[in-house]
Amino acid sequence: DTAVSQTPKYLVTQMGNDKSIKCEQNLGHDTMYWYKQDSKKFLKIMFSYNNKELIINETVPNRFSPKSPDKAHLNLHINSLELGDSAVYFCASSPQLTRGVTQYFGPGTRLTVL
Amino acid sequence: SQQGEEDPQALSIQEGENATMNCSYKTSINNLQWYRQNSGRGLVHLILIRSNEREKHSGRLRVTLDTSKKSSSLLITASRAADTASYFCATDGGVQGAQKLVFGQGTRLTINP
Repeated sequence: DTAVSQTPKYLVTQMGNDKSIKCEQNLGHDTMYWYKQDSKKFLKIMFSYNNKELIINETVPNRFSPKSPDKAHLNLHINSLELGDSAVYFCASSPQLTRGVTQYFGPGTRLTVL
Repeated sequence: SQQGEEDPQALSIQEGENATMNCSYKTSINNLQWYRQNSGRGLVHLILIRSNEREKHSGRLRVTLDTSKKSSSLLITASRAADTASYFCATDGGVQGAQKLVFGQGTRLTINP
């Protein structure tokens, strides 16, 4: 069974389009995250949610809007896609919000904006 | 901002040799974690070391932490081809009471058969 799953795995789209990436975890975790990994492999947190509540928003353009319909799902919607949005986006989850816990990562969604 | 920086950026060794990767960070931490990323995959947690610990072992992995130097090292002994991956250190920080992991750019490890 996949613990943290993301769809789609690959996403190729034109500049200016709107797209969504979905994430689901079946671990019963309270906390979920979105990360962006750029072409140089630098991984940076974008958002975290705890029990459907936004906790961390790391200076991400408001074209990015996360939505958590329940604590097992955290989706990422991106409006007006730009070339610089091309990256691999990872969803992750952890049992709780506090420090010192392991995060479990999904397989990633490779977004290419043309 | 606080950030882990791995050194070297790339490391290539022969199977059976030991691999050592280093991580430096800038501010105080509560804990430091190491993750592995196989090509085209997500990150997998390897080991966590708390700020009051100096060394930790897990199988063929040995992690050290020197908070006075703000550095950590990951040693993989008796390397195998399957250890080929990128290795990231991640430090906690940020929002009070919340976990925000800050990752470095990773060390790309290649084990040659």
